[in-house]
Amino acid sequence: AQRVTQPEKLLSVFKGAPVELKCNYSYSGSPELFWYVQYSRQRLQLLLRHISRESIKGFTADLNKGETSFHLKKPFAQEEDSAMYYCALSLGQGAQKLVFGQGTRLTINP
Amino acid sequence: KAGVTQTPRYLIKTRGQQVTLSCSPISGHRSVSWYQQTPGQGLQFLFEYFSETQRNKGNFPGRFSGRQFSNSRSEMNVSTLELGDSALYLCASSFDGGDDYEQYFGPGTRLTVT
Repeated sequence: AQRVTQPEKLLSVFKGAPVELKCNYSYSGSPELFWYVQYSRQRLQLLLRHISRESIKGFTADLNKGETSFHLKKPFAQEEDSAMYYCALSLGQGAQKLVFGQGTRLTINP
Repeated sequence: KAGVTQTPRYLIKTRGQQVTLSCSPISGHRSVSWYQQTPGQGLQFLFEYFSETQRNKGNFPGRFSGRQFSNSRSEMNVSTLELGDSALYLCASSFDGGDDYEQYFGPGTRLTVT
């Protein structure tokens, strides 16, 4: 069965410190991985996807098939990064069925 | 362009009743997906509709159903409501063509079953 695990429910770091949100997945096929973010009182929105290999708002994520991980990283956290972050797995390119992790609430302290 | 809209935003129902939620996708989007979000289970996929046909389905009982109209608007229906159906129901739309398949989420409908 497909599964996405985000081991940290809560993560708190200081402004300017590096951030890493962990995500591990379980899927035997060729997955497509995403990170979604939900800022306070806003909708869930796509942050980045592994296939595009781009950096958004300073965040990057690399798919490691050997470790079945897709950790989200940012070298220097900013206060506006405080939000709920969800890792999600799509079962093949373009497939609209997303399997979400439980989410990590990131708090950036000033 | 206008984002995904969902109506109503809040709803209170009694056990045993049925409910219909509505989702209007972004203009031009052909795929509509529905998700249930609860504190205990998180975000779970319900089903997806594309060109008026259910294309993908999650692991929910038959009490949960949906449909899509020719203008891509979608509705989901829950019959014989149970207390455990209390949740935030999210709708997401996608163009789903070429390499453009990003899902855009609506604000959700908060359903409370008493």
